[in-house]
Amino acid sequence: GDSVTQMEGPVTLSEEAFLTINCTYTATGYPSLFWYVQYPGEGLQLLLKATKADDKGSNKGFEATYRKETTSFHLEKGSVQVSDSAVYFCALLQGAQKLVFGQGTRLTINP
Amino acid sequence: SAVISQKPSRDICQRGTSLTIQCQVDSQVTMMFWYRQQPGQSLTLIATANQGSEATYESGFVIDKFPISRPNLTFSTLTVSNMSPEDSSIYLCSVTGTLGTDTQYFGPGTRLTVL
Repeated sequence: GDSVTQMEGPVTLSEEAFLTINCTYTATGYPSLFWYVQYPGEGLQLLLKATKADDKGSNKGFEATYRKETTSFHLEKGSVQVSDSAVYFCALLQGAQKLVFGQGTRLTINP
Repeated sequence: SAVISQKPSRDICQRGTSLTIQCQVDSQVTMMFWYRQQPGQSLTLIATANQGSEATYESGFVIDKFPISRPNLTFSTLTVSNMSPEDSSIYLCSVTGTLGTDTQYFGPGTRLTVL
């Protein structure tokens, strides 16, 4: 079945560092891809999405590009802040309804 | 996007009891879903809540353990029955149909601890 693999965490960076969280997927067809973020003690928030190959999703300084040839959707941010500390989930939409999530990557930003 | 609320936000329950979690949306939505997030883990879809009919369960989840209702287009409940400590998780509802049918928006979650 469809699956999502994220880089293992936890990831710890200093403020203003460059961030990459790797995400690769296995799927039949061309699913929509998503990044969700979970701040401490909260539910999931949609961070960004891409629905077809070469689409770039962006929000709050984060970006991810849908790469069909490498089946990847890596999350990047040029300069992270302490407030970006959270757990990040990559996900794909299987069929019309089912979200399949990666295992999550815990990010900690130190001042 | 729609505002999604869940009740209760957290609870501590005794083994063998049941808990019903409510999910309320401030506008009509097409689809509603229930997910489980076990401690330190990712999210797993439990079922799709169908308005006016029985929910559609994922492999490994059964109606007797997780009965679901969806009486209208803005409300759903999930019951966790005959609880055991292994049911300790965060339970989240999600919805689509507000800003495009392929994007799911999540409620704040219900943190359940079973003693």
